Amino acid sequence: EAGVTQFPSHSVIEKGQTVTLRCDPISGHDNLYWYRRVMGKEIKFLLHFVKESKQDESGMPNNRFLAERTGGTYSTLKVQPAELEDSGVYFCASSRQGFANSPLHFGNGTRLTVT
Amino acid sequence: AQSVTQLDSQVPVFEEAPVELRCNYSSSVSVYLFWYVQYPNQGLQLLLKYLSGSTLVKGINGFEAEFNKSQTSFHLRKPSVHISDTAEYFCAVLNEKLTFGTGTRLTIIP
Repeated sequence: EAGVTQFPSHSVIEKGQTVTLRCDPISGHDNLYWYRRVMGKEIKFLLHFVKESKQDESGMPNNRFLAERTGGTYSTLKVQPAELEDSGVYFCASSRQGFANSPLHFGNGTRLTVT
Repeated sequence: AQSVTQLDSQVPVFEEAPVELRCNYSSSVSVYLFWYVQYPNQGLQLLLKYLSGSTLVKGINGFEAEFNKSQTSFHLRKPSVHISDTAEYFCAVLNEKLTFGTGTRLTIIP
């Protein structure tokens, strides 16, 4: 089966611009997660979708971040306007069931650089 | 609240030598524990997990980890490393959500 795919793999934008990251989960995976790793730090949870519904968005840093999953398939994460501290690698993961019952499959990540 | 500590940010090891990557966690309730690996230019991949049962867990690529409740540790070990083990390794704990450590970069010296 195809894995989790993320687009773009890299993005360099200026402070104040808008960027949209996309994640295509594995087909049939209802659970979709977004994580972020700022350089040298831990991988931090952003949010969790079950189908099209936001199950947990407690990790979203602020209202400049907007995640959507229309139709319960692919998801987008928009940052508007981007700030320097938003730089990092954004990972998407999907699973058939919840965390403990089925493994998370991660995409290769999108490396975002805000200058 | 739960947290994960990986004290070693980088670990250099000679090829065919043993390695131990340390992980300590804190949680007020029972947890599930995981090790993930990220090879260069790839996503994270599950190495192994502890949910319950035997405290010694075997994973892929010859890695194993031991859950020690009294020491709140879940150290990752491999008896003989290979060049292909060069990667970054992340310990994670699951309670309500998956919480990762800061990662340990394993470098294999030929």
